[in-house]
Amino acid sequence: EPEVTQTPSHQVTQMGQEVILRCVPISNHLYFYWYRQILGQKVEFLVSFYNNEISEKSEIFDDQFSVERPDGSNFTLKIRSTKLEDSAMYFCASKSASNYGYTFGSGTRLTVV
Amino acid sequence: GNSVTQMEGPVTLSEEAFLTINCTYTATGYPSLFWYVQYPGEGLQLLLKATKADDKGSNKGFEATYRKETTSFHLEKGSVQVSDSAVYFCALSDQAGTALIFGKGTTLSVSS
Repeated sequence: EPEVTQTPSHQVTQMGQEVILRCVPISNHLYFYWYRQILGQKVEFLVSFYNNEISEKSEIFDDQFSVERPDGSNFTLKIRSTKLEDSAMYFCASKSASNYGYTFGSGTRLTVV
Repeated sequence: GNSVTQMEGPVTLSEEAFLTINCTYTATGYPSLFWYVQYPGEGLQLLLKATKADDKGSNKGFEATYRKETTSFHLEKGSVQVSDSAVYFCALSDQAGTALIFGKGTTLSVSS
């Protein structure tokens, strides 16, 4: 069964550093998403991406965040200057145009110290 | 705006007990509804979905019926197993392509 692949599985970074979280969505999917889950809390939507541009973003997705699909396969989330409160599990998801099946990756656990 | 409300957990059951996890939603129009499951240390897996009123989603013995009149999508299983221990998330999408909105999640713990 096709999978969404996320790397790394765990990243530790110092406060103020930039991090890039990587995702390889399912190849024929057209919609791409980033979510985050602070430990023990709800899954929060960050941003959606369609047709090479952001289609929707939440209030969490401020200027320190950016997304890119640089080469037609990878989908990245960049956090420019990490804060302690950015520590969370970040999930990538993708979806085809033909159904409502969102497929999630296994997540990247980001720890900001 | 759209939102999902789930019953507070944790839910603790003995093996073979009946499970209900309540979920209600607020949305404009006719959303699609989902249940996702997160096993310890893992990502989110789609458990079941329903895309229109009165649809019943089912998978692995779990069921949920889309009730428009009560804006609910309660998850049920007739006989839970220890392996069902996980966090269960109810979610909605108000149209194809838009982001999923999740409830807070309900932790289920099943003991033998």
